[in-house]
Amino acid sequence: DGGITQSPKYLFRKEGQNVTLSCEQNLNHDAMYWYRQDPGQGLRLIYYSQIVNDFQKGDIAEGYSVSREKKESFPLTVTSAQKNPTAFYLCAAQTGNTIYFGEGSWLTVV
Amino acid sequence: ILNVEQSPQSLHVQEGDSTNFTCSFPSSNFYALHWYRWETAKSPEALFVMTLNGDEKKKGRISATLNTKEGYSYLYIKGSQPEDSATYLCAFNDYGGSQGNLIFGKGTKLSVKP
Repeated sequence: DGGITQSPKYLFRKEGQNVTLSCEQNLNHDAMYWYRQDPGQGLRLIYYSQIVNDFQKGDIAEGYSVSREKKESFPLTVTSAQKNPTAFYLCAAQTGNTIYFGEGSWLTVV
Repeated sequence: ILNVEQSPQSLHVQEGDSTNFTCSFPSSNFYALHWYRWETAKSPEALFVMTLNGDEKKKGRISATLNTKEGYSYLYIKGSQPEDSATYLCAFNDYGGSQGNLIFGKGTKLSVKP
C-alpha cells in the first residue's frame, strides 16, 4: 500500500532526552514536511525539505533537527532544547499543489 | 504574521442537512487555498486546491468557492451523511513561503447525527 508511514504512533519521552520520529514515503515525491499540532491550534511548519541533502527551517524549528539522506526518509529529532515538545506531529510529502500526510505521531513528555 | 481563521469551530447537524463553513485568509500575495478533510486517527485527505479568484470546485456532495479579493473561501456539504463527520481544515499558501509552507486554520469539526 503506497503512502507515508510515520512511526511510532505513540511515544513517551523523559525530560532531557532526545527522541526521533520516523517518516518514510514510497510516493517518490521530492518534497517532505514536518508539522506540529497543539490542542486548539492549526498545523505549524517545523522543517521542510525540497530535495535530498537539503532542508529549511519552518516557523517553529527551534529545538528540532532533521536530516534528508534519502528521498524516502525525513526523520525528525525532538531535542532536549525543545521546551514544550508534547504535541501531535504530522509528516507530509508533496506533489504539485497537493500535500499527502501520514497518520501522525503523538509525543508525550513525562 | 499571517492568520487563517475558520468558522464555526464546531458544527452539529442532522443527517440530510446541508451545511457550510468559512475560511478567511489574507487577501494579499495569494497563491493557493487548500481544503482538507481529517478524520480521527487517519491522515488528512486533500479535498480541493484552489488558485483562481471565483473558482468553484466540486467533489460529490462537497463543493467549495474562492474569493481571493476579499480573502474567503466557503466549503459546502449537501445532504450531510454521518460519514461526513470529520474536521475540515483550510490552508493558505502565499508567494512568500515555499510551495509547502501552508498556513493552516484551526479547522471546523463537523458532527453529523443519523
